[in-house]
Amino acid sequence: KAGVTQTPRYLIKTRGQQVTLSCSPISGHRSVSWYQQTPGQGLQFLFEYFSETQRNKGNFPGRFSGRQFSNSRSEMNVSTLELGDSALYLCASSSGGTGARTGELFFGEGSRLTVL
Amino acid sequence: KNQVEQSPQSLIILEGKNCTLQCNYTVSPFSNLRWYKQDTGRGPVSLTIMTFSENTKSNGRYTATLDADTKQSSLHITASQLSDSASYICVVAMTGGSYIPTFGRGTSLIVHP
Repeated sequence: KAGVTQTPRYLIKTRGQQVTLSCSPISGHRSVSWYQQTPGQGLQFLFEYFSETQRNKGNFPGRFSGRQFSNSRSEMNVSTLELGDSALYLCASSSGGTGARTGELFFGEGSRLTVL
Repeated sequence: KNQVEQSPQSLIILEGKNCTLQCNYTVSPFSNLRWYKQDTGRGPVSLTIMTFSENTKSNGRYTATLDADTKQSSLHITASQLSDSASYICVVAMTGGSYIPTFGRGTSLIVHP
């Protein structure tokens, strides 16, 4: 069974640009959640999507957005990039109706974004 | 403010030795507590998830304990191996309302031969 796949693995952008990251969950998982990991702040929750609906959202500005498609694949977008957005962006998928709250999370390898 | 504090920040031990990592939290009302292992450059891997009613849960050489009264958890690693070198992260979730997990900053464990 394939794991969670994130693309691209590495990317470099400049300030003011926007970026779109993709996450393909484990087959059959309907919950996809996104996280930002930086050396300064550690791991932080961005949002969770379940059956194409955003179910939960962390404390990030509106520049961070996401969506989920009918096949459960998810994308997150960051607009007007800032230097502080440089981070490892992780997504995780989970099965079951409770999703990320109580289900076991399976993480991808992450997309490492560098903003210059 | 909900917080999760992990200690020690870093730890170096010799292969074969045991060690215990600590996690103290102020998250309330409590739903569950998870421990993750994250190798350098990789995504986190789930070790255990514990709910309010669970005191101990094991996963191979990893044993997690939870004291919901004192809001403390520990992760005990038995007979450490070189492959245990990683960051161990504690995550606590609230019950009710929106799901916004609170992450600890992690303990960096290095196992030397």
